[in-house]
Amino acid sequence: EADIYQTPRYLVIGTGKKITLECSQTMGHDKMYWYQQDPGMELHLIHYSYGVNSTEKGDLSSESTVSRIRTEHFPLTLESARPSHTSQYLCASSDGGTDTEAFFGQGTRLTVV
Amino acid sequence: SQQGEEDPQALSIQEGENATMNCSYKTSINNLQWYRQNSGRGLVHLILIRSNEREKHSGRLRVTLDTSKKSSSLLITASRAADTASYFCATRTGANNLFFGTGTRLTVIP
Repeated sequence: EADIYQTPRYLVIGTGKKITLECSQTMGHDKMYWYQQDPGMELHLIHYSYGVNSTEKGDLSSESTVSRIRTEHFPLTLESARPSHTSQYLCASSDGGTDTEAFFGQGTRLTVV
Repeated sequence: SQQGEEDPQALSIQEGENATMNCSYKTSINNLQWYRQNSGRGLVHLILIRSNEREKHSGRLRVTLDTSKKSSSLLITASRAADTASYFCATRTGANNLFFGTGTRLTVIP
């Protein structure tokens, strides 16, 4: 069982609201990732971090922002939610080596109405 | 997709049959990994194959890697209804990020 947790699991929120999706891991992993999964299943990397105070944008442009103040915590924030942000958001972490697997949280399904 | 395609997009087989899924990618890689996703949940790691390996086994799973063709296949033998899920390949590149394919939705009919 992976020790990586995402909250909330489901969120329905109105347009214009600010939201923060939480992601925490207890494995001490340096690398953490946020993926956005569209209805066609494809996962797009939107943010990643290689350690505390390190954050980078992924290959899919996203209006969200992230922070990495503590190793175990990698929250994602949308300042003003829009219906186009409706999606499944998956957080993952992995150890520092190259030949390591990623551990995923259960995901947050966000619906913006 | 950042890395490439998986095919087929969907596959439906009878219990006991073998299931084969293919993955193609675009750039040179450090390793290729396969993950499984049950409906609406997170992904679970199945198997990793390094770029200098050609074949790997784990239980009923067999993975092959052809770096000259930039492709991989996942074979699940003697499928079970519980194997019904979506399967994704993912590649680790020089930048060390993990990029996923488009996924294959497998349905195993009891």
